[in-house]
Amino acid sequence: GDSVTQMEGPVTLSEEAFLTINCTYTATGYPSLFWYVQYPGEGLQLLLKATKADDKGSNKGFEATYRKETTSFHLEKGSVQVSDSAVYFCALSDSGGYQKVTFGTGTKLQVIP
Amino acid sequence: GAGVSQSPRYKVAKRGQDVALRCDPISGHVSLFWYQQALGQGPEFLTYFQNEAQLDKSGLPSDRFFAERPEGSVSTLKIQRTQQEDSAVYLCATSAGTSVYNEQFFGPGTRLTVL
Repeated sequence: GDSVTQMEGPVTLSEEAFLTINCTYTATGYPSLFWYVQYPGEGLQLLLKATKADDKGSNKGFEATYRKETTSFHLEKGSVQVSDSAVYFCALSDSGGYQKVTFGTGTKLQVIP
Repeated sequence: GAGVSQSPRYKVAKRGQDVALRCDPISGHVSLFWYQQALGQGPEFLTYFQNEAQLDKSGLPSDRFFAERPEGSVSTLKIQRTQQEDSAVYLCATSAGTSVYNEQFFGPGTRLTVL
């Protein structure tokens, strides 16, 4: 079945540091890939997505590129801010289905001033 | 607001009690999903509705779990004879369409604690 593996946290960075959160996936079809973010005390929200190979999703300075050859979708940001502190979930939705989303276990990011 | 709302936000139940969790979707949203999120884990799919039809219930962990959406709008997730392993945050998500390209909007969740 479909699965998502992402790096374990917590990840602690200083403000303005470079961020990478690794994510790899296994899917039987040709999935769409997502990063969701959960800020403290708030609900899950979509951060970015990519629907086909070599697509780059981007939002709020975050980027991730759909790499079919390595089955990866790593999240990056060039300069993190304290306000980026949150839990980040990598996820996929198989193209063969409707929108059933399979999530990774989440990576907690803490940015310190 | 116009987002997905869930109630109650917190629920404490004694083992063996029945509970009902409510989801109010964004108006007009066709698709509705329930997910279960255990502590420190990612959400896991429970069930999917397209309007009033329950098209997929493969994620429901046992026959103690039951979901309905009788008029294609509000949905209720019912758990009978709760067990401690049912303790989790239950998330509802809705989307405007049925395609994988339609964004899912999540509610704040109901945190269920079974004592």
